[in-house]
Amino acid sequence: QQPVQSPQAVILREGEDAVINCSSSKALYSVHWYRQKHGEAPVFLMILLKGGEQKGHEKISASFNEKKQQSSLYLTASQLSYSGTYFCGTGTKNTGNQFYFGTGTSLTVIP
Amino acid sequence: EAQVTQNPRYLITVTGKKLTVTCSQNMNHEYMSWYRQDPGLGLRQIYYSMNVEVTDKGDVPEGYKVSRKEKRNFPLILESPSPNQTSLYFCASSFGGPNTEAFFGQGTRLTVV
Repeated sequence: QQPVQSPQAVILREGEDAVINCSSSKALYSVHWYRQKHGEAPVFLMILLKGGEQKGHEKISASFNEKKQQSSLYLTASQLSYSGTYFCGTGTKNTGNQFYFGTGTSLTVIP
Repeated sequence: EAQVTQNPRYLITVTGKKLTVTCSQNMNHEYMSWYRQDPGLGLRQIYYSMNVEVTDKGDVPEGYKVSRKEKRNFPLILESPSPNQTSLYFCASSFGGPNTEAFFGQGTRLTVV
């Protein structure tokens, strides 16, 4: 029931864009996105609660397609500070209050 | 300062020696969870608690115990640790359950030899 993220890793030059996808085999009622820097705890970016919802956070935004059980994180005009591992997290229907994180996407931004 | 505090940050122990990792939050959050993080596997939920005296198994509960006697504390207990429990552990809390923002502790790196 762990969501699958793609790609597993991506390397960008400053200013380039990236998309990280999160796909679940279970019906979702929420999708979270977190970023984790090396050696640190994950930090919350945003949460999407409704199908079709889109949210933005500076140059980072996300969408949630409830029917397809998928979410995508969009990073535009990437900065060095965007480097880290990105995790989606999902609350799934019919599994009570359990929470599932994806396997993570390592993002490296180089000058 | 609003925070989740875990202790210890690093721990090396021997197989079979009981240990407890403490977790405390000062935000009056209802929902608390424990996760383990392993390379390539992301974060996997071990146990979670919706409130005092209410705990439930997550995805990988085998070999772990938890308790929630007070709202602020959610210790993780390994009664007989084994080498396959060597991992990075995170405690997290959120105000209203899994649909709300989670705040993480700084992590505990556990090595079982």
